[in-house]
Amino acid sequence: NAGVTQTPKFRILKIGQSMTLQCAQDMNHNYMYWYRQDPGMGLKLIYYSVGAGITDKGEVPNGYNVSRSTTEDFPLRLELAAPSQTSVYFCASRAPDYLSYNEQFFGPGTRLTVL
Amino acid sequence: GENVEQHPSTLSVQEGDSAVIKCTYSDSASNYFPWYKQELGKRPQLIIDIRSNVGEKKDQRIAVTLNKTAKHFSLHITETQPEDSAVYFCAASMDSNYQLIWGAGTKLIIKP
Repeated sequence: NAGVTQTPKFRILKIGQSMTLQCAQDMNHNYMYWYRQDPGMGLKLIYYSVGAGITDKGEVPNGYNVSRSTTEDFPLRLELAAPSQTSVYFCASRAPDYLSYNEQFFGPGTRLTVL
Repeated sequence: GENVEQHPSTLSVQEGDSAVIKCTYSDSASNYFPWYKQELGKRPQLIIDIRSNVGEKKDQRIAVTLNKTAKHFSLHITETQPEDSAVYFCAASMDSNYQLIWGAGTKLIIKP
């Protein structure tokens, strides 16, 4: 298993540009999450999904959008990038409830700089 | 909603000594408490977790204790080593909620 994968690893955007951060997991997890981590800070939840076709906002959703058309993929879309979106973005996934195992598995992260 | 506070924000200990990081939570319905370790430039990884029906759990040099009455839980690292240097995050959740509520993190520095 590759676990949780993210692409790209690094990206520099100009103000006003848009991009999609890709996230995929091969563990058949139904829960998936997007976090951002600003330098020296903790994790803030942007969006999460409890299964294909179902998404919901987290703590800091403004400026972002998500979709979940398959169990495996959970892309994060940034529209009109702003310097405040400079951060490291982590995708995570978690097993279904019936497995009673709550660990969130994180991808390696995408380091985004907006100039 | 749930709130998790974590202390201290930075902890510096001599190699070989013990380190203790404490977290408090606000919602008595929370029943799952994980600890994640994040090395510099890496992803967070689970190191130990505990459920509310257990008071203590150990895994080699690390342990977690839970006091449900006081609503706090702690991470204990004994015989600290240089590779323990990292940021540690606590979190809390309940079965009915898909989200983890995260603490702000503790930077642990191991002095040689």
